[in-house]
Amino acid sequence: SQTIHQWPATLVQPVGSPLSLECTVEGTSNPNLYWYRQAAGRGLQLLFYSVGIGQISSEVPQNLSASRPQDRQFILSSKKLLLSDSGFYLCAWGTGAQEKLFFGSGTQLSVL
Amino acid sequence: GQQLNQSPQSMFIQEGEDVSMNCTSSSIFNTWLWYKQEPGEGPVLLIALYKAGELTSNGRLTAQFGITRKDSFLNISASIPSDVGIYFCAGPMRSARQLTFGSGTQLTVLP
Repeated sequence: SQTIHQWPATLVQPVGSPLSLECTVEGTSNPNLYWYRQAAGRGLQLLFYSVGIGQISSEVPQNLSASRPQDRQFILSSKKLLLSDSGFYLCAWGTGAQEKLFFGSGTQLSVL
Repeated sequence: GQQLNQSPQSMFIQEGEDVSMNCTSSSIFNTWLWYKQEPGEGPVLLIALYKAGELTSNGRLTAQFGITRKDSFLNISASIPSDVGIYFCAGPMRSARQLTFGSGTQLTVLP
């Protein structure tokens, strides 16, 4: 069966520090991978999605970037965090044919 | 672009009551998905609907794919405290690689 792992669960970082959130998927190959951000427990905002290694599409201009160095690994990064980067970050995977997304357990990021 | 209007935004109900929430769109969807998110967790898929008029159940949850393909409904019967959470509807955007999500319905079940 397929599983998705996302870490860390919580993170407190000072403004201006770098960020690296990692997500891995097991039990499937060539998944579509996604990073979402959720503010105040509502509204899922799509940040990035990837349909293959090295292929990244960005949905909104921002202080963040994403990379997919391996088929089942998706990384969300920032060189210098802003206060506005605080939020709940969710990784998800899916296959275009099924159109369903399966989410990781999320990372609560607090930028202070 | 495709948008989903989900209502109500929040609900406070007594344990044992039935719950109904809905999602509408100005565009036709070929798939409707319903998710539940508990505090501090990622959304979990509850029900997937693929055909207009389809009625699907998952325990005390029942969801329907509207005939017009522009709406969907989720009903929860005999609510219990563990039903608390945010319920999201979702549907694939035209590219089918992305989902559009409703704004969510926050459900609170009072003992």
